[in-house]
Amino acid sequence: AQTVTQSQPEMSVQEAETVTLSCTYDTSESNYYLFWYKQPPSRQMILVIRQEAYKQQNATENRFSVNFQKAAKSFSLKISDSQLGDTAMYFCAFMAPTGANSKLTFGKGITLSVRP
Amino acid sequence: DSGVTQTPKHLITATGQRVTLRCSPRSGDLSVYWYQQSLDQGLQFLIQYYNGEERAKGNILERFSAQQFPDLHSELNLSSLELGDSALYFCASSADRGGYYGYTFGSGTRLTVV
Repeated sequence: AQTVTQSQPEMSVQEAETVTLSCTYDTSESNYYLFWYKQPPSRQMILVIRQEAYKQQNATENRFSVNFQKAAKSFSLKISDSQLGDTAMYFCAFMAPTGANSKLTFGKGITLSVRP
Repeated sequence: DSGVTQTPKHLITATGQRVTLRCSPRSGDLSVYWYQQSLDQGLQFLIQYYNGEERAKGNILERFSAQQFPDLHSELNLSSLELGDSALYFCASSADRGGYYGYTFGSGTRLTVV
């Protein structure tokens, strides 16, 4: 089974600064997808960004970008110009297109607090 | 509003009881997924339906069952409830069979078993 590891349980950042959230995964698949989801206090799970493993270019969505290192099986999320509304739990997730791993497998999550 | 509707938002029930959680997927989405979120287990995949057919099964207990109806809404039935079943239950949907562009989640049903 694929595993997704988020080793940092909590992080804190000053408003307007940049923060990087780490994620590693373990897989023998060559083709797969990686995601970051955000869960604010409202508990809604919101898709932040998506990366396809066969694309070398790192995905970017406004202030959110990823550093995808396929060989190292690392998928970190960088949040630039942090805002108070970024305070949330962030989950890294993995999916392979076929077989037993064809559903989203989530890490344990990291709690991010943005300080005013 | 994500477009995925889950009812009820909160549910408190006693051990041994049975409850039904309901999910209406986003308009046009054919796949429905159920997840359980608890403090100790994190987000666990339970089951997926695609256009009425079961497609994938995860860590779903035998006391739990689900189905997807012709109008594509889905229900998750939890029976013989135990204290450990207390959790946040999410429904998600996707337009494609595999959800390769990500899932759209509902706001969840908070189940408390007392």
